[in-house]
Amino acid sequence: AQKVTQAQTEISVVEKEDVTLDCVYETRDTTYYLFWYKQPPSGELVFLIRRNSFDEQNEISGRYSWNFQKSTSSFNFTITASQVVDSAVYFCALINNAGNMLTFGGGTRLMVKP
Amino acid sequence: DTGVSQDPRHKITKRGQNVTFRCDPISEHNRLYWYRQTLGQGPEFLTYFQNEAQLEKSRLLSDRFSAERPKGSFSTLEIQRTEQGDSAMYLCASSLGTGGAGNNQPQHFGDGTRLSIL
Repeated sequence: AQKVTQAQTEISVVEKEDVTLDCVYETRDTTYYLFWYKQPPSGELVFLIRRNSFDEQNEISGRYSWNFQKSTSSFNFTITASQVVDSAVYFCALINNAGNMLTFGGGTRLMVKP
Repeated sequence: DTGVSQDPRHKITKRGQNVTFRCDPISEHNRLYWYRQTLGQGPEFLTYFQNEAQLEKSRLLSDRFSAERPKGSFSTLEIQRTEQGDSAMYLCASSLGTGGAGNNQPQHFGDGTRLSIL
């Protein structure tokens, strides 16, 4: 069975602060993929990043960066210099190599105040 | 717009009625997924198709739910005899399935259909 846990249900920061969203996962598979999605108030889930279990290199894309640590089964997401437009619910998700279904965490609601 | 399209955006109906939702995936995507999301929770997998074949169904998909993808393009999700507990956002996603085992391509989601049961 697979499980994704996002312990932070809600985070509130002031614009320009850095913020890290935590994600811890459980799986018995050796090959799997991890994802982050953003869900703004409009409701659409927006794909942000995919990582496979064999690639532990951290990734940076603009103000976004991801830290994948297999030893602690974590895939954390950091937003640098947060902006009001970053306000959304962020979901971490896991898919095994069969690739049939995403298992989502409960989400973290990020509120960035001006 | 070439993203995943869902119709309608909102559906309000009385308990006991049947409802049908439609999903048009990204045109070159051969895989299509349905998820359900209740308030404050992450989406939960319901079912998925590869082309027109329905290859997996979650235990969440009771016998009141049926999904089809008749020509391997758009899909419909029907709920018969709706119940209060069916109130949720129904999300459709599509992806490009690779030929070998596994599908690691990202799933792209539509805006969802929000169902409210009175």
